[in-house]
Amino acid sequence: DSGVTQTPKHLITATGQRVTLRCSPRSGDLSVYWYQQSLDQGLQFLIQYYNGEERAKGNILERFSAQQFPDLHSELNLSSLELGDSALYFCASSVAGRKPNEQFFGPGTRLTVL
Amino acid sequence: AQSVTQPDIHITVSEGASLELRCNYSYGATPYLFWYVQSPGQGLQLLLKYFSGDTLVQGIKGFEAEFKRSQSSFNLRKPSVHWSDAAEYFCAVARGNKLVFGAGTILRVKS
Repeated sequence: DSGVTQTPKHLITATGQRVTLRCSPRSGDLSVYWYQQSLDQGLQFLIQYYNGEERAKGNILERFSAQQFPDLHSELNLSSLELGDSALYFCASSVAGRKPNEQFFGPGTRLTVL
Repeated sequence: AQSVTQPDIHITVSEGASLELRCNYSYGATPYLFWYVQSPGQGLQLLLKYFSGDTLVQGIKGFEAEFKRSQSSFNLRKPSVHWSDAAEYFCAVARGNKLVFGAGTILRVKS
């Protein structure tokens, strides 16, 4: 158990819908990262938040957004869902925000778009 | 651009045999390197990391990896594989704050 929690574990929804994925980082970690794992793209970095502020952005679609709240939990919002958004979404956390450091991953949320 | 290559998509080894999973990276500066393991239906677990210093790093579950700058490699090894090691293994390099992952190597263990 990494100490990172993600809810829900599974999500099944229809095209055009909007969903919210939730992540709670390890106690004491200020950074939260979101990754997408799909068969065709592999593991891709989406976005990072550090202590409530966006710190780095990767291959995140405009239909996707994220935020980190004062209690440090984070939410990833996916809207206007398409079939291709079906994937495993991981949240990771780490202590630091700028320099490279080890990231601890949650169990993931499996999103299925029908 | 930084990238990570894991040339083997699948590897099958017998239980008790030694294991080496290959990883090559392209990165201009001193890399920060990681190996993660993902069991079916599970998240990613950190096996070991290399930031600096001794080029042979020890990790959890009996794994080790060696950083070879001249070959741009960070291969993962285990002297004796157990059936419970069957999983997918990912090599990653830190690019700024984010991790760039290889495509993964699926390890199958035969009894």
